[in-house]
Amino acid sequence: EAQVTQNPRYLITVTGKKLTVTCSQNMNHEYMSWYRQDPGLGLRQIYYSMNVEVTDKGDVPEGYKVSRKEKRNFPLILESPSPNQTSLYFCASSLSRGEKLFFGSGTQLSVL
Amino acid sequence: GQNIDQPTEMTATEGAIVQINCTYQTSGFNGLFWYQQHAGEAPTFLSYNVLDGLEEKGRFSSFLSRSKGYSYLLLKELQMKDSASYLCAPVNQAGTALIFGKGTTLSVSS
Repeated sequence: EAQVTQNPRYLITVTGKKLTVTCSQNMNHEYMSWYRQDPGLGLRQIYYSMNVEVTDKGDVPEGYKVSRKEKRNFPLILESPSPNQTSLYFCASSLSRGEKLFFGSGTQLSVL
Repeated sequence: GQNIDQPTEMTATEGAIVQINCTYQTSGFNGLFWYQQHAGEAPTFLSYNVLDGLEEKGRFSSFLSRSKGYSYLLLKELQMKDSASYLCAPVNQAGTALIFGKGTTLSVSS
């Protein structure tokens, strides 16, 4: 089944404790992206990648890192999480940029 | 830049027709998507418009006017399961991102 798989689904952590949210797609998509969704603000792009080893900042990249060492995986790293990073995170992928995005199930992150 | 405007909330009854409008400002247009998102779930693709006109897909249709920076999503024969948030998302000028509006929460009652 074609899908984008994110893990974990829920995560509670404390300020400053490094964490990684994994994202994997099995559709051989070139483009991958991370969004966060907050009430009243909608979905905002954090980082995106147009292919292996090609990543770039979106609208709200501060406090986040990403890597794209393999085509299928695009992890989101929070080196030192803070409470303002409490949010619902979505990974998404598409065949190439500007095309229909397929979303993962989301990760609800709470930073205490 | 992008400035996407859509109503925050709408209500309708089962069997009715509802139109959700979206206006956007973009210096370079590369297409516009509509997504549906149920509470706590991931957005799912509904439609894509890149040329002016109406795209019909079952109970859902989407219209685009590039000159007016305007799109709408038309939902016919509403069902309770259509209660969700509907997201308008033009592609940015560089083609590197979908820029999502804040969404329209549609409540369908019996």
